[in-house]
Amino acid sequence: QVQLVQSGAEVKKPGASVKVSCKASGYTFTSYPIHWVRQAPGQRLEWMGWINGGTGNTKYSQKFQGRVTITRDTSASAAYMELSSLRSEDTAVYYCARDGPLSATFDYWGQGTLVTVSS
Amino acid sequence: DIQMTQSPSSLSASVGDRVTITCRASQSISNYLNWYQQKAGKAPKFLIYAASSLQSGVPSRFSGSGSGTDFTLTISSLQPEDFATYYCQQSYDTPGTFGQGTKVEIK
Repeated sequence: QVQLVQSGAEVKKPGASVKVSCKASGYTFTSYPIHWVRQAPGQRLEWMGWINGGTGNTKYSQKFQGRVTITRDTSASAAYMELSSLRSEDTAVYYCARDGPLSATFDYWGQGTLVTVSS
Repeated sequence: DIQMTQSPSSLSASVGDRVTITCRASQSISNYLNWYQQKAGKAPKFLIYAASSLQSGVPSRFSGSGSGTDFTLTISSLQPEDFATYYCQQSYDTPGTFGQGTKVEIK
């Protein structure tokens, strides 16, 4: 069965960077893009970007352009999301999700990683 | 960015009730509209794509309709496990924006 397992919670200081991992299993990793979506407390879901599992090509939301980097390691069937220059507003649960039956739909999700930014 | 607006923001209903949630896009998105269910502290679950196509394994009491700018999610007979927050999401354009959510609570 398809599973996405994310790394554990992080606490970071303002200005620091965080890197969250997402390990995939149960399907051919290179056949599907992986997206990253975040949810701040009490807020709506927010798409950050995606990576093509096969080519490694990426696309980012303009909101995060310049601060977010999404990479993948095909030998580990894993994707990574690094967010830099953290501020308190970046406190959120970060999810990875597999691209679904149509482009930019999200059929399987990781369990989420809470990133807390606090001085 | 395309803005997605759901109504109502919350509703109270009883088991067995028919529930309808509306989602409106700020511009036409054809049928590039998807629905997710999220329970407290959990990741979203994929329910419906392309406005009306049921994801595999999703109970048939869930249905979706609409095109252009106006869409609906209907639960024909609300079950105890359906109490959750529901989000619409457009996949017509990048970024794929979400609605603010509709919380379905027990009456």
